Amino acid sequence: QSVLTQPPSASGTPGQRVTISCSGSTSNIGRNTVNWYQQLPGVAPKLLISTNDQRPSGIPDRFSGSKSGTSASLAIGGLQPEDEADYYCGAWDDSLSAWVFGGGTKLTV
Amino acid sequence: DVHLVESGGGLVQPGGSLRLHCAASGFIFNKYWMSWVRQAPGKGLEWVANIKPDGSANFYVDSVRGRFTISRDNAKNSLYLQMSSLRAEDTAMYYCARGVGAIDWGQGTLATVSS
Repeated sequence: QSVLTQPPSASGTPGQRVTISCSGSTSNIGRNTVNWYQQLPGVAPKLLISTNDQRPSGIPDRFSGSKSGTSASLAIGGLQPEDEADYYCGAWDDSLSAWVFGGGTKLTV
Repeated sequence: DVHLVESGGGLVQPGGSLRLHCAASGFIFNKYWMSWVRQAPGKGLEWVANIKPDGSANFYVDSVRGRFTISRDNAKNSLYLQMSSLRAEDTAMYYCARGVGAIDWGQGTLATVSS
């Protein structure tokens, strides 16, 4: 059981927009910023969004993040087949003194 | 470019030990927190531990506290994870990552605990 809750799966067709949610609590998302990671099949994860809504260099602007209260969301616009991957949210938890990840969402395009 | 290369994984019997190493380059190592994150086969990501830039503080996930030790050698741009009293459930790909929030990741090293 992950501290951050994500839907196990999501899907969309090419060109569509999909949103993946990440629900936490006051000890993690409520107090700290959220990162999002993309893990393509068979490779290491990659940072997709940092500090709630910041895209690292090289990440297309089709990817966007937001946070409200104790929840965060990742939006992917103009879906492409190569977006098919696992997506994870993560945040620091002040009560646990630990970084916590969501359980991951498998996106099918 | 940031480059993180893990090594030291392998097959070990339950109760045994392994020492993982992460060689870092492309950034000022002694300015960053460093982390270990693992992923059991077919499962999600699990943060394991992190360590302050000067090595003076560290944090662990409950399941490894007292068995694993994270350390670093800033002179060698190296991060380590000493794993002892290993259990089958520690079997995973272990990733080294830059920063508390895992900004950059290595390719991982696989640790398998099995008799």
